Amino acid sequence: AQSVTQLGSHVSVSEGALVLLRCNYSSSVPPYLFWYVQYPNQGLQLLLKYTSAATLVKGINGFEAEFKKSETSFHLTKPSAHMSDAAEYFCAVSQSFQGAQKLVFGQGTRLTINP
Amino acid sequence: NAGVTQTPKFQVLKTGQSMTLQCAQDMNHEYMSWYRQDPGMGLRLIHYSVGAGITDQGEVPNGYNVSRSTTEDFPLRLLSAAPSQTSVYFCASSYGRPGGKNIQYFGAGTRLSVL
Repeated sequence: AQSVTQLGSHVSVSEGALVLLRCNYSSSVPPYLFWYVQYPNQGLQLLLKYTSAATLVKGINGFEAEFKKSETSFHLTKPSAHMSDAAEYFCAVSQSFQGAQKLVFGQGTRLTINP
Repeated sequence: NAGVTQTPKFQVLKTGQSMTLQCAQDMNHEYMSWYRQDPGMGLRLIHYSVGAGITDQGEVPNGYNVSRSTTEDFPLRLLSAAPSQTSVYFCASSYGRPGGKNIQYFGAGTRLSVL
């Protein structure tokens, strides 16, 4: 079964600094991987997804993620943090489930931006 | 375009009470699902539906019922609320089964407290 592990439940960076949120997956087949963002009191919004095309995936709001098969990782990065990036971020993998498909989510990483 | 709409946004119940969480989507999506979000556990799948008249259990279905009489609506029923059901509930929909090209769209969530 596929699973996702997010390293670090809380990450704090200064405004303008590099953002790096870590995600490792386990999958016996080539995975579909996703990053979602959840702003306070809102639902989840798709940031980006990997579907076996380019290994470097660009998303919204300046975020990108790189699929590294050798490291089973799909880390999320942004070169320069902005105050509006403060949110919770979820990595997810698509998994077969009882003949259907479902998303398996990591535990989430709360990103705090310091002024 | 409303997307996925959940009502109510907040609810407080007493143990043993029943209630229905409403979810509606206006994107003509076939696939709908309910997740619960608990601190440090990511999102867990409760029930899902691959089309009108078809529902199935997810990872944590106990204590919840669903039905899908129309493509648009997918209500979640708590038959006899328990404190363990205190959580944030998200409804999601996608054109097909999530993963690959089929992006899941999430509602804003229902915050439920059971006393």
